[in-house]
Amino acid sequence: EAQVTQNPRYLITVTGKKLTVTCSQNMNHEYMSWYRQDPGLGLRQIYYSMNVEVTDKGDVPEGYKVSRKEKRNFPLILESPSPNQTSLYFCASSPSSRSSYEQYFGPGTRLTVT
Amino acid sequence: EDQVTQSPEALRLQEGESSSLNCSYTVSGLRGLFWYRQDPGKGPEFLFTLYSAGEEKEKERLKATLTKKESFLHITAPKPEDSATYLCAVQASGNNRLAFGKGNQVVVIP
Repeated sequence: EAQVTQNPRYLITVTGKKLTVTCSQNMNHEYMSWYRQDPGLGLRQIYYSMNVEVTDKGDVPEGYKVSRKEKRNFPLILESPSPNQTSLYFCASSPSSRSSYEQYFGPGTRLTVT
Repeated sequence: EDQVTQSPEALRLQEGESSSLNCSYTVSGLRGLFWYRQDPGKGPEFLFTLYSAGEEKEKERLKATLTKKESFLHITAPKPEDSATYLCAVQASGNNRLAFGKGNQVVVIP
């Protein structure tokens, strides 16, 4: 089954404790992206990757890191999480940024930073 | 900066009562406008892509249209299963980023 998976689905952590949210897709998609969704603010893009070893900042990259060493994986790293990073995070993939932009979204990761 | 504004924020419809959702956008050269559906607790699900003014796309009870400044998502004779939040997003020419609106929350009452 074609899908985007994220782990963990739920995470409660404390300020400053490094964490990684994994994202994997099995569709051989070139383009992958991370979003955060907050009430009243909608979906905002954090980082995206056009292909392996090619990443770029979205609208809200501060406090986040990403890497794209393999085509299927695009982990999101929070080196020193803070309470304002409490949010619902989505990973998405698309065949190409030049395609119809039919993005496939993962199920989401709900992160709480205390 | 690309901007996407969706209205109304929330809409309650009786089953069978057709209506339209609006997505107004400001972008320096539109590469594409996209509609997604999001159910509570789930990731957005792709519905349509529109590329140029005058274009229309249909899927079941949904029809998306595009002008140079806005897009409409028409819901014809909605059913309760059409209840969801509908998200609009735009991509500007020469840009690989997507800018999303805040969504239209639709509730269809049986």
